[in-house]
Amino acid sequence: QKEVEQDPGPLSVPEGAIVSLNCTYSNSAFQYFMWYRQYSRKGPELLMYTYSSGNKEDGRFTAQVDKSSKYISLFIRDSQPSDSATYLCAMETSGSRLTFGEGTQLTVNP
Amino acid sequence: ETGVTQSPTHLIKTRGQQVTLRCSSQSGHNTVSWYQQALGQGPQFIFQYYREEENGRGNFPPRFSGLQFPNYSSELNVNALELDDSALYLCASSTPSGEQYFGPGTRLTVT
Repeated sequence: QKEVEQDPGPLSVPEGAIVSLNCTYSNSAFQYFMWYRQYSRKGPELLMYTYSSGNKEDGRFTAQVDKSSKYISLFIRDSQPSDSATYLCAMETSGSRLTFGEGTQLTVNP
Repeated sequence: ETGVTQSPTHLIKTRGQQVTLRCSSQSGHNTVSWYQQALGQGPQFIFQYYREEENGRGNFPPRFSGLQFPNYSSELNVNALELDDSALYLCASSTPSGEQYFGPGTRLTVT
């Protein structure tokens, strides 16, 4: 069993939709949770970084962490075609290696 | 822009050869990590360097080795290349609070 599970999609939505991306994990030692966006053939770009249960909002993006359920989510409001990319969740215990999900490929259609 | 640069952008090698990939970290970031990303997969942790010492290693064989220099630039060396080593190689530098910022990657093709 993988430590981090993420539905690879693909996920296709119309412009303006609310997008929900999710990951589950099995290692209760994970303390820090991240979401990265990766455009084709580019390096991952850090979107959100959280370390506690609850919600964190940044513009159109909201990251949600539920440690009791070992479940994290990223919500994208008012999705735009420029949001089309692969979204990777990542986790770490403390200041060291990141463990990534497989990535979810998102397409936002105009 | 993250301030993390990598070179070369792309290279092609033959099975059995050796390759060196380079990374220049963002100023003030003294921790660098290397990851391998196969097509359609999430990045896999190779190893991390902190102040020129290896500070953690993933499930990769010893033919994957690295160096970090006093100016915090870094190298990833891979010996005896295999076809399965074809991937995007990413380096990431860490802020003091632990956030990791990635470079654009080097795409390695082994034929």
